[in-house]
Amino acid sequence: DIQMTQSPSSLSASVGDRVTITCQASQDITTFLNWYQQKPGKPPTLLIYDASNLETGVPSRFSGSGSGTHFTFTITSLRPEDIATYYCQHYDSLPYSFGQGTKLEIK
Amino acid sequence: EVQLVQSGPEVKKPGESLRISCKASGYTFATYWIAWVRQMPGKGLEWMGIIYPGDSDTRYSPSFQGQVTISADKSISTAFLQWSSLKASDTAMYYCARFENAHSSAWLDYWGQGTLVTVSS
Repeated sequence: DIQMTQSPSSLSASVGDRVTITCQASQDITTFLNWYQQKPGKPPTLLIYDASNLETGVPSRFSGSGSGTHFTFTITSLRPEDIATYYCQHYDSLPYSFGQGTKLEIK
Repeated sequence: EVQLVQSGPEVKKPGESLRISCKASGYTFATYWIAWVRQMPGKGLEWMGIIYPGDSDTRYSPSFQGQVTISADKSISTAFLQWSSLKASDTAMYYCARFENAHSSAWLDYWGQGTLVTVSS
């Protein structure tokens, strides 16, 4: 099974900051990677698919990049409503596992 | 409008059985995979397994194989997650989600609201 290692596990940043989260796969997954946002008490929602494609309706301050085993998720200018936990997930081969999550807080 | 509506919260004792449901509407249920995802209290998302309702092809994560049963009834557009003997460690929120496959991309695009299962003596 492919393991996804996400870092950091938590992050505190100020409004307007640039925030970066990384996700490392245990083997080459090309670009078969998604990013989700989960707010407290809610199910996750898709932000980025295929490593770098923005889901329809998602603000352009969110972006993703990477291929192979190393991936990056970026919020260019943090807003208060971005407070959530973010997860990467691969879909290279079953089981399509998630990273352990990054909890983003406002400083 | 695509919707996945899950059954309500459950409180059970260790050793009891349970089946929770996920009713789909707004699309052709039989033609999309449905995934189940566990979230233990204060923890991350865990992929449990996936089912194709059209032919009931089911794939389990090794961590959940033999621990749960995933099934679907396409006549009522509903997927199920079942336990034969619950443990306290099964206490969690369980989500169903539709798995969209488009060209070479795939993602979980619609999610149920979650079913909270509490197992306590």
